[in-house]
Amino acid sequence: GDSVTQKQGQVTLSEDDFLFINCTYSTTTYPTLLWYVQYLGQGPQLLLKVTTANNKGISRGFEATYDKGTTSFHLQKASVQESDSAVYFCALVDPQGGRALIFGTGTTVSVSP
Amino acid sequence: GPKVLQIPSHQIIDMGQMVTLNCDPVSNHLYFYWYKQILGQQMEFLVNFYNGKVMEKSKLFKDQFSVERPDGSYFTLKIQPTALEDSAVYFCASSLFGGAETLYFGSGTRLTVL
Repeated sequence: GDSVTQKQGQVTLSEDDFLFINCTYSTTTYPTLLWYVQYLGQGPQLLLKVTTANNKGISRGFEATYDKGTTSFHLQKASVQESDSAVYFCALVDPQGGRALIFGTGTTVSVSP
Repeated sequence: GPKVLQIPSHQIIDMGQMVTLNCDPVSNHLYFYWYKQILGQQMEFLVNFYNGKVMEKSKLFKDQFSVERPDGSYFTLKIQPTALEDSAVYFCASSLFGGAETLYFGSGTRLTVL
């Protein structure tokens, strides 16, 4: 079935480091791909989304490119800040259901000053 | 921005009892969702609800589960009876137009079934 895979459970960085979070997906169609961020004590909130293959989503210094060839949607940020410490979830809109999100397991990013 | 409120943040209940999880969605939203997250695993879709009816549900939405939004008040998830495997964080979400990518999530209620 459709799925999203995030292999990194935890990433530890210092401020101004480069952030890269791996996400791959498996589906038979061209889904809408999203990244959510969840800060401590809050619910997940949409960070960025891309609906078209080979397009890039950009938000708050984060970017992700929808790569149909490698079925990936990795998240990157050139220079992280302590305030970027959070859990990041990759997700796709369920092509079958249309209204459900299929989430990855999340990557906890800890940034020290 | 718009907020979805879930109170309390943690509920502890004995196995076999009934529990109702409450969600106060964004005021003008029309579509309502529940997601379940077991510790260390991904969030999984349970159900969505529109115009007083369940629109879609997953295989995780067991017969013991029910949802309602009486008189436009709280959107609730009821589990009766509860089982140990129901222990998880339950996230409520709402959206105005129904698209999955337009959801606003609450901060979740951690349910512990003893």
